[in-house]
Amino acid sequence: NAGVMQNPRHLVRRRGQEARLRCSPMKGHSHVYWYRQLPEEGLKFMVYLQKENIIDESGMPKERFSAEFPKEGPSILRIQQVVRGDSAAYFCASSPTATNEKLFFGSGTQLSVL
Amino acid sequence: GENVEQHPSTLSVQEGDSAVIKCTYSDSASNYFPWYKQELGKRPQLIIDIRSNVGEKKDQRIAVTLNKTAKHFSLHITETQPEDSAVYFCAASPIRFGNEKLTFGTGTRLTIIP
Repeated sequence: NAGVMQNPRHLVRRRGQEARLRCSPMKGHSHVYWYRQLPEEGLKFMVYLQKENIIDESGMPKERFSAEFPKEGPSILRIQQVVRGDSAAYFCASSPTATNEKLFFGSGTQLSVL
Repeated sequence: GENVEQHPSTLSVQEGDSAVIKCTYSDSASNYFPWYKQELGKRPQLIIDIRSNVGEKKDQRIAVTLNKTAKHFSLHITETQPEDSAVYFCAASPIRFGNEKLTFGTGTRLTIIP
């Protein structure tokens, strides 16, 4: 079991560009969570998805951010028109059930906006 | 929503001594409390968790205690070793109907002094 796979590990974008972050959950896991971590801060919940459904997006900024988890393929976190304040580590986690026990995290994507 | 506070933000202890990290939570419905360890540049990893029907849980040198009345829980690491140096995050979540998300504390940077 390869674990939760995130790519890319590092992503550099200029202001105004789009960032696409990918997350493949562990085999058998159909529940995916995205968290953002700013330097020296904790993990802030962004969005919770199941296959083809957004369950809870209460932590997502209202504009420029979107997420999907299609029937086939990885979950995608998309940030349009990035700004410097979007620079952070974005972690994806997956769990086999809806209770989010035993969350398994990916290695994260470090987004740097120039 | 849930609010989790964590103290201290940094902690230095001599190798072999004990370390204690404390968290408080606000939502009385929370009943699942995991602790994650994050080494520099790596993914958060679950090290121990506790449910609200248990007051204490131990796993070798690590223990977690929970006081539901006071809404606080603590991580205890005994006989600390250099490899315990990391950032530790507490979290809380209600597990009632599923589809719940973890709310994390802001983290404690633990440094073990050889």
